[in-house]
Amino acid sequence: SQKIEQNSEALNIQEGKTATLTCNYTNYSPAYLQWYRQDPGRGPVFLLLIRENEKEKRKERLKVTFDTTLKQSLFHITASQPADSATYLCARMDSSYKLIFGSGTRLLVRP
Amino acid sequence: EPEVTQTPSHQVTQMGQEVILRCVPISNHLYFYWYRQILGQKVEFLVSFYNNEISEKSEIFDDQFSVERPDGSNFTLKIRSTKLEDSAMYFCASRDGQATNEKLFFGSGTQLSVL
Repeated sequence: SQKIEQNSEALNIQEGKTATLTCNYTNYSPAYLQWYRQDPGRGPVFLLLIRENEKEKRKERLKVTFDTTLKQSLFHITASQPADSATYLCARMDSSYKLIFGSGTRLLVRP
Repeated sequence: EPEVTQTPSHQVTQMGQEVILRCVPISNHLYFYWYRQILGQKVEFLVSFYNNEISEKSEIFDDQFSVERPDGSNFTLKIRSTKLEDSAMYFCASRDGQATNEKLFFGSGTQLSVL
């Protein structure tokens, strides 16, 4: 079956460091992947979308890469801040235009 | 920035009761969705809605669930006879439908507690 997986449940880093989160997919080749941020008790908020023909996309301190050989997307937050602490969700949109989410990685940035 | 609004933010109900969760999607959006998230679990797709009909529904969306767009602005999710396992956060989402813009906008959710 087609899967999208975020293997790290939690990531704990020091303020100022770069956080790197991983999203793996199996048994299909998505045309693009999306990343969302979810704060406790809130809905997901869209951050970035990267297409299969884009190796990298940036938005301020955020960077996403897409490696179709490894079947993997990496999400980086540079110069991390405590306010970046949240759960980050990787998602793919399937052919019927519904979004399928990974289980998320909970990021904690320590001051 | 336009946003999806959901009411109520919290709903407590007795098992077997009917609940209606309400959503106002972004006004020019064409695709509407309900998702749910059980505490500590992933965000799961329930149903998608386009052109006044259900486009797709998941296995979770059984006969106890229904959706409606009663007017040009509201989008509701009804659970006819709630079960304990329906306790979750329910998110409404919308998308504008342009082929180049696939991101979803989510509301803040309704926390449903079935006692």
